[in-house]
Amino acid sequence: AQKITQTQPGMFVQEKEAVTLDCTYDTSDQSYGLFWYKQPSSGEMIFLIYQGSYDEQNATEGRYSLNFQKARKSANLVISASQLGDSAMYFCAMREGPSGSARQLTFGSGTQLTVLP
Amino acid sequence: DAGVIQSPRHEVTEMGQEVTLRCKPISGHDYLFWYRQTMMRGLELLIYFNNNVPIDDSGMPEDRFSAKMPNASFSTLKIQPSEPRDSAVYFCASSQMNQPQHFGDGTRLSIL
Repeated sequence: AQKITQTQPGMFVQEKEAVTLDCTYDTSDQSYGLFWYKQPSSGEMIFLIYQGSYDEQNATEGRYSLNFQKARKSANLVISASQLGDSAMYFCAMREGPSGSARQLTFGSGTQLTVLP
Repeated sequence: DAGVIQSPRHEVTEMGQEVTLRCKPISGHDYLFWYRQTMMRGLELLIYFNNNVPIDDSGMPEDRFSAKMPNASFSTLKIQPSEPRDSAVYFCASSQMNQPQHFGDGTRLSIL
């Protein structure tokens, strides 16, 4: 089974509108972390936001927020007030296990977001 | 602060040649990761190090691939001999324990 599922290969949003990018995950671990990365057309991978499985509050970083619904195993990224520069591929990723255990990230297939002027 | 530095940014070489990709992690980060990104398989972990020691190399595709980390500030990923199917973007990332991984700009490798 896929550990990280991003069901939206492509999304369009109007500039200044909010957009939600979906991510569901599958793990039997109680301790895990969820991450979102942005990959613009230039190719670099940019860390956006992190949510720990024990964090009670949803993570926020500027215009980015993570809508974490543990029971549903979803970790959707919300971008508020979209800007043209937000057009990029967005990856959801998970790190399983408690501190000191496996450290690698498992990535989803990504969502290509296009912001329309 | 300097981020993760990878070199070269682009590499084009002929099949059968040896390829060496280089990475300088962020100072103070004790984890280093090598990933490969292709259209078909997405982002996959190849190998990662903790305190310069390889911890998990189960993602290394075959014996043609090898990675080393001789010290805390340098790592190499070597492919010998290279094949056209090795064409991909190779990323190096580093982190401290329990912190997000920070990625380099990647090396775009084309094997002709």
